[in-house]
Amino acid sequence: AQKITQTQPGMFVQEKEAVTLDCTYDTSDPSYGLFWYKQPSSGEMIFLIYQGSYDQQNATEGRYSLNFQKARKSANLVISASQLGDSAMYFCEMGAQKLVFGQGTRLTINP
Amino acid sequence: GAVVSQHPSRVICKSGTSVKIECRSLDFQATTMFWYRQFPKQSLMLMATSNEGSKATYEQGVEKDKFLINHASLTLSTLTVTSAHPEDSSFYICSASPGRGRQGQPQHFGDGTRLSIL
Repeated sequence: AQKITQTQPGMFVQEKEAVTLDCTYDTSDPSYGLFWYKQPSSGEMIFLIYQGSYDQQNATEGRYSLNFQKARKSANLVISASQLGDSAMYFCEMGAQKLVFGQGTRLTINP
Repeated sequence: GAVVSQHPSRVICKSGTSVKIECRSLDFQATTMFWYRQFPKQSLMLMATSNEGSKATYEQGVEKDKFLINHASLTLSTLTVTSAHPEDSSFYICSASPGRGRQGQPQHFGDGTRLSIL
């Protein structure tokens, strides 16, 4: 069975600080993809970053980076220099035999 | 690139009405489209996966006759909520992928449809 766990229901961070959002996963599929999405209060889902199970290097996209630790089955999202506009729900997703989303983390950036 | 248009964004209608939601990929061919339902403050729940030209694959517990999905072309999928009732009120989101939405292929989401059944 596939499972994604996001253990932080909510996080509060000061503007300009870095923040790490946790994501652990479980799958028996040797080939899978890990994705992070942002969902602002307006509801749309925005793709942020992707990591493939066979990728040797951690993915980076601008201020987003993915701390991929395969042995620990974790794929944490790191946002550097947080901004007020980063306040949103963040979902971790695994694409293997099934597509599974985590429960999400609500990130609030304080000025 | 990778724009997905979902329409309408909001629907309010009476119980018993059927409601159709469209999902279009505007600048790429969507081999696979997905339909999700999201309750307030909860994660996305996958309802069904549709591939162009074939029948949708529904997740366990999702009524096929209640939620009709048609993927008529590589750029269009529709979800029809038949004889909607208040318990069908929810936020419905579609996504599209040029592949199967798995390794290396993120989903591109529409903006969602907020359905309210009175």
